Amino acid sequence: EPEVTQTPSHQVTQMGQEVILRCVPISNHLYFYWYRQILGQKVEFLVSFYNNEISEKSEIFDDQFSVERPDGSNFTLKIRSTKLEDSAMYFCASNRGAGELFFGEGSRLTVL
Amino acid sequence: EDQVTQSPEALRLQEGESSSLNCSYTVSGLRGLFWYRQDPGKGPEFLFTLYSAGEEKEKERLKATLTKKESFLHITAPKPEDSATYLCAVQTGTASKLTFGTGTRLQVTL
Repeated sequence: EPEVTQTPSHQVTQMGQEVILRCVPISNHLYFYWYRQILGQKVEFLVSFYNNEISEKSEIFDDQFSVERPDGSNFTLKIRSTKLEDSAMYFCASNRGAGELFFGEGSRLTVL
Repeated sequence: EDQVTQSPEALRLQEGESSSLNCSYTVSGLRGLFWYRQDPGKGPEFLFTLYSAGEEKEKERLKATLTKKESFLHITAPKPEDSATYLCAVQTGTASKLTFGTGTRLQVTL
């Protein structure tokens, strides 16, 4: 069964450093997403991406964040100048547009 | 702004003790309501989509229902392996994203 894969599963970084989280969405999906879940809190939307551009973003997704589809299979989230409050699980998801999103297992980011 | 509220926050059941989880929503132009299961440290796993009031979907011990204001996830004769956080989410208007509630943490004991 096709699935969304994410790497790394866990990344530890120092405050102020840049991190890149990687995702391989399901191959015939057209929409890609990043969500964030701070420990004990709800799953929050960050950004959606379609046709090689951002289709929607939340207030959380400010200039510190960027997304890219560098090739035909990968979808990345870059976080510049990380802060302590960026520590969270980051989930990538994909779908065909309407209907359910399929989520990866997440990348845990710990900022020290 | 879309609002999704889930109750209770946490629920502890004994094996075989049936119950219901609630998801109430205030949105503009509901396109779909989704239920997911999330195990600790894992990504949300899709369970059901409901599109219109009166619709019901079933899978094993779970049944999801939808009205114009809320959705219920009924759990019949739960087992310990049903222990997880159950998330409700909505898709609205022309957007493809989902907006999640805070979830109900279910624990089923022997």
